Amino acid sequence: EAGVVQSPRYKIIEKKQPVAFWCNPISGHNTLYWYRQNLGQGPELLIRYENEEAVDDSQLPKDRFSAERLKGVDSTLKIQPAELGDSAVYLCASVPGGQETQYFGPGTRLLVL
Amino acid sequence: GQNIDQPTEMTATEGAIVQINCTYQTSGFNGLFWYQQHAGEAPTFLSYNVLDGLEEKGRFSSFLSRSKGYSYLLLKELQMKDSASYLCAVNTNAGKSTFGDGTTLTVKP
Repeated sequence: EAGVVQSPRYKIIEKKQPVAFWCNPISGHNTLYWYRQNLGQGPELLIRYENEEAVDDSQLPKDRFSAERLKGVDSTLKIQPAELGDSAVYLCASVPGGQETQYFGPGTRLLVL
Repeated sequence: GQNIDQPTEMTATEGAIVQINCTYQTSGFNGLFWYQQHAGEAPTFLSYNVLDGLEEKGRFSSFLSRSKGYSYLLLKELQMKDSASYLCAVNTNAGKSTFGDGTTLTVKP
């Protein structure tokens, strides 16, 4: 079974530029999370989807961050414009229905210069 | 909100036993996870405790006391490959997951 796929794995951009991250969860997993992880810290939730519905986006900085999960499968997280403080690893995780365990993708490492 | 505390760093010797503690404060507790994260990699699932007590899985065991807001991860027969960050994460019945900042374990020969 294929795991959670994320792309790109690495991204370097200049501040004020836009950037987008893509996540393909494990087939059949209804719940999808986006996290941001800074060096030396645990993952911080940005948004949680149940199928195509964003059920918790309370910690998403909506002035510059947006996300979508069309058709309840793949998801895209966008930052526009990026700031220096956005440099971090962006992790996507998915959960099968009726369970709690999260399966993480390899993450996208973002560096904003 | 939720508070999760775990030690920042620990060091242990190959073949030894180490216990990593986690304390938490939350409302609507619905389970506690331990994840392992090697440097530059994604977290991977180790254990999940919902009820009080000890869950054993090979060299790894996890304990939970809901009344004390306390959990620990016990690693036996340490191997060099166990050097990693260990993340404690609490789930609520609202579906929210909150992670601690992780404990970086260094296993020395």
